[in-house]
Amino acid sequence: EAQVTQNPRYLITVTGKKLTVTCSQNMNHEYMSWYRQDPGLGLRQIYYSMNVEVTDKGDVPEGYKVSRKEKRNFPLILESPSPNQTSLYFCASSSNSGTGGRGYTFGSGTRLTVV
Amino acid sequence: GDSVTQMEGPVTLSEEAFLTINCTYTATGYPSLFWYVQYPGEGLQLLLKATKADDKGSNKGFEATYRKETTSFHLEKGSVQVSDSAVYFCALRDSGYSTLTFGKGTMLLVSP
Repeated sequence: EAQVTQNPRYLITVTGKKLTVTCSQNMNHEYMSWYRQDPGLGLRQIYYSMNVEVTDKGDVPEGYKVSRKEKRNFPLILESPSPNQTSLYFCASSSNSGTGGRGYTFGSGTRLTVV
Repeated sequence: GDSVTQMEGPVTLSEEAFLTINCTYTATGYPSLFWYVQYPGEGLQLLLKATKADDKGSNKGFEATYRKETTSFHLEKGSVQVSDSAVYFCALRDSGYSTLTFGKGTMLLVSP
């Protein structure tokens, strides 16, 4: 089954303790992206990657890091989490080819709480 | 830059009522337009899309028509069900770019 898999689904952590949220896709997609979803703010892009070893900042990159060493994986790293990073996070992937008519496939989300 | 504006919710309807959720956009190129749906506790799923002016996307009884002259992509359904209760996101993907720009989402609540 074609899918984007995020782990973990739920995570509670303490301020300053480094964490990684994993994202993996099995569709050979070139493009991958991370979003955070907050009430009243909708979805905001954190980072995206057009292909292996190519990453770029989205709208809200502060406090986050990413890497794209393999095509299928795109982990999100919080080096020193703070309470304002408490949010619902989504990973998404898409093919780069053809027109812009290709939508994204989303993971099921990771609910992160930083205390 | 690109932007998407949706009507604020929640939209509260009775079962079998007609639904319209307004969406307008600003884009520099010739974007493709999408509606995504998020059911409680789940990720976003593509509901429908349209890639050029006057295209109509449709799925599960929902429809939206790409109106270039009014830069709009309003979502409609003739008769909503309780199971349609969810958050609906309008989005665009500009030509030549891969980033999807979302509106803030509209919550729909349908009561029996």
